[in-house]
Amino acid sequence: QSVLTQPPSVSAAPGQKVTISCSGGSSNIGSGYVSWYQQLPGTAPKLLIYENNKRPSGIPDRFSGSKSGTSATLDITGLQTGDEADYYCGVWDNSLSAYVFGPGSQVTYL
Amino acid sequence: EVQLLESEGGFVQPGGSLRLSCAASGFTFSNSAMSWVRQAPGKGLEWVSAISAGASGTYYSDSVRGRFTIFRDDSKNTVYLQMNSLRDDDTAMYYCAQRALHAEQKWGQGTLVTVSS
Repeated sequence: QSVLTQPPSVSAAPGQKVTISCSGGSSNIGSGYVSWYQQLPGTAPKLLIYENNKRPSGIPDRFSGSKSGTSATLDITGLQTGDEADYYCGVWDNSLSAYVFGPGSQVTYL
Repeated sequence: EVQLLESEGGFVQPGGSLRLSCAASGFTFSNSAMSWVRQAPGKGLEWVSAISAGASGTYYSDSVRGRFTIFRDDSKNTVYLQMNSLRDDDTAMYYCAQRALHAEQKWGQGTLVTVSS
């Protein structure tokens, strides 16, 4: 059972916006930096967002992250075919002295 | 370009041991923390362990603490995961990752470890 909570799945029509939430507590999201990862089917995960809202080089600005209190959000605008994947949030937990991932959210087309 | 190449995993019986390695290139390895993350078949990501630059700190998930050991050889640009007392629920794809800026920045392609009798 993860200390972080994500919706199991989210859907949207092509071109629309998807929002994925990640809820935690004071020992993780509330005091740390949240990252988001994309995992396409059969491939290794890839970093999308780090330090709450920063994009690595090569990640399009359709992907954006934010954090407020003990929750974080990943927004994907202009949903494209290649965006169908599993998305995970991750953050360091000070109580566990360990990094934790959310359970993952599957993004699909309506 | 950052490259992380995990060693071949394998099939091991419960209670057995296996050592994974991850050879890094394309960045200053000695200055970088490194992590191991695993994913059981059909399941989500599970962080396993991390080691700081200079090996001054090592960290483990509760599920592997006391059984797994992470270490590094900066002269070989390689990080290792020694896995002992393996259990069925250790069966997973194991990924090596470069850790920086509070995130797992770059990932290897993964190596499959199967624990079964």
